[in-house]
Amino acid sequence: KQEVTQIPAALSVPEGENLVLNCSFTDSAIYNLQWFRQDPGKGLTSLLLIQSSQREQTSGRLNASLDKSSGRSTLYIAASQPGDSATYLCAVRMDSNYQLIWGAGTKLIIKP
Amino acid sequence: DVKVTQSSRYLVKRTGEKVFLECVQDMDHENMFWYRQDPGLGLRLIYFSYDVKMKEKGDIPEGYSVSREKKERFSLILESASTNQTSMYLCASSLIGSGRGHNEQFFGPGTRLTVL
Repeated sequence: KQEVTQIPAALSVPEGENLVLNCSFTDSAIYNLQWFRQDPGKGLTSLLLIQSSQREQTSGRLNASLDKSSGRSTLYIAASQPGDSATYLCAVRMDSNYQLIWGAGTKLIIKP
Repeated sequence: DVKVTQSSRYLVKRTGEKVFLECVQDMDHENMFWYRQDPGLGLRLIYFSYDVKMKEKGDIPEGYSVSREKKERFSLILESASTNQTSMYLCASSLIGSGRGHNEQFFGPGTRLTVL
């Protein structure tokens, strides 16, 4: 059974730093992996989707990588800003169905 | 841009009431999903639908039903609301296929339901 883990559960860094969020999964037979951002009390915003055949995706200051063989994805945030403070969730979709399997999220705080 | 809307941001209902949560998407997506999100439990899938009138149970369907009469609309129904259904409910949609942007799930703003 696929399990998705995000460590750490919470992270606090000063503004301007580059940082990496981690997502690991136990079964490498994934169809894709998606990173989301959630602000308190709000819905989820899709940040990046990486297909299983891809190594990375970039959007602005965000870069997501995927290493299926080691069961890992990272979300790199460059030059962090206070507005980046949110909970970041990763989710994998397996080959076999449409469901997403979710990590518990990393709560990120960027200190001004 | 994909837009997923939910009928209410906040809802307060009494135990035993029948509750309807509505979700509408404007991008002709085939797949639609209902999740609930609770502290410490993360997101859990209640039901999803891959076509009109089609539905599949997720991980926690008990106490819920769904309806998809039109492609753009997916309704979640609590037949008899209970206090343990107090939660944040999130709707999502995605496009089937293998091209760019396909299978990416887009979420609505959420409905925070309180059952008294």
